[in-house]
Amino acid sequence: AQKVTQAQTEISVVEKEDVTLDCVYETRDTTYYLFWYKQPPSGELVFLIRRNSFDEQNEISGRYSWNFQKSTSSFNFTITASQVVDSAVYFCALSGRQAGTALIFGKGTTLSVSS
Amino acid sequence: GAVVSQHPSWVICKSGTSVKIECRSLDFQATTMFWYRQFPKQSLMLMATSNEGSKATYEQGVEKDKFLINHASLTLSTLTVTSAHPEDSSFYICSARPGTTYSNQPQHFGDGTRLSIL
Repeated sequence: AQKVTQAQTEISVVEKEDVTLDCVYETRDTTYYLFWYKQPPSGELVFLIRRNSFDEQNEISGRYSWNFQKSTSSFNFTITASQVVDSAVYFCALSGRQAGTALIFGKGTTLSVSS
Repeated sequence: GAVVSQHPSWVICKSGTSVKIECRSLDFQATTMFWYRQFPKQSLMLMATSNEGSKATYEQGVEKDKFLINHASLTLSTLTVTSAHPEDSSFYICSARPGTTYSNQPQHFGDGTRLSIL
């Protein structure tokens, strides 16, 4: 069975702090995809990143970075120099390669950044 | 880029009403679309997988007679909440994934429908 665990329910930081959101997954598939989405209070899902299971390179995009470690089944997300606009719920998700496979979401981490 | 349009964004209606939500892929064809439900402060949970030209596949615990799904074309799937009650109030969001069986295309999500049953 597939499962995504986001152990951190809520995180509160002050602006300019760095923050890491943890994600641990379980799957028996050899090919799979991992995702991070941001959900602001308005509700829409904002796509942040997709990572193929064969690509373990870490990725940086501006203030965002992702650390994929297959050995520990983790796909952690770090926001550097956090800003108030980063306040949202962040979801880690997992899917298989086939088009008929839905995303399995973690329970989400609510990030609150105060000024 | 690929866009999924979901309509309506908000619905407020009386208990017992049936509500239809549309999910359209605007610039790609999707043989498969997905319907998720999100209760306040909870995660997105898959309700059903909508397959073009065939019956939808429902997740355990989701009543297929209550949540009717129709996927009549490669760009449109509809979810009808029949005889809605207050406990059906939730955020419903659809997604579609371009490509066929071994697609490496990411899913694209609609902006969601907030359903409130009075």
